[in-house]
Amino acid sequence: NAGVTQTPKFQVLKTGQSMTLQCAQDMNHEYMSWYRQDPGMGLRLIHYSVGAGITDQGEVPNGYNVSRSTTEDFPLRLLSAAPSQTSVYFCASSYRGRPGALPGANVLTFGAGSRLTVL
Amino acid sequence: GIQVEQSPPDLILQEGANSTLRCNFSDSVNNLQWFHQNPWGQLINLFYIPSGTKQNGRLSATTVATERYSLLYISSSQTTDSGVYFCAVVLLVTGGGNKLTFGTGTQLKVEL
Repeated sequence: NAGVTQTPKFQVLKTGQSMTLQCAQDMNHEYMSWYRQDPGMGLRLIHYSVGAGITDQGEVPNGYNVSRSTTEDFPLRLLSAAPSQTSVYFCASSYRGRPGALPGANVLTFGAGSRLTVL
Repeated sequence: GIQVEQSPPDLILQEGANSTLRCNFSDSVNNLQWFHQNPWGQLINLFYIPSGTKQNGRLSATTVATERYSLLYISSSQTTDSGVYFCAVVLLVTGGGNKLTFGTGTQLKVEL
């Protein structure tokens, strides 16, 4: 049981390049999300998904695309990287909230993070 | 959107000391979480606490939802407690799942 796996752990890009941050989970979680963390700040939600084929925007979605073709994977795409996207990115997943579920059953599990630098 | 404020922003303790971290939030929320981010960047969930008090070893948390604040108590601090402590308010999204809004954190350093 690997939990939430993010790749790569470190990446350096030049302005205008594209790349995809990968996120995979093996816990059969329906809900997945991406956050970014900038220095001196808490995490901010970029995009999230409540299941395969369903995605929605979070607080800071501009410059990022996502898709959810399988339950296990939720990649984050940067189509044209900008220095403002230099950050640490975290993927997180959980079960969806269900009536009658135990409290905390949908607590998020976070990946280890991916540090991205855009020059 | 909802605002989350944490205090103090920085804290230095001698090993063995106790401390209280505070989290204020601006609106009603479904739940609240406390996290510890260790020096390697890993986020560790400490408490999932919509109201009341929970304890886990040397740590405890209290949330008073009606007054929109939560407190994290660290007793007998150890050097391994160093890192950043975040609170995050939880809003449920349509279709299930938690949307978290984080505070800016309290940077804690515990010295020998």
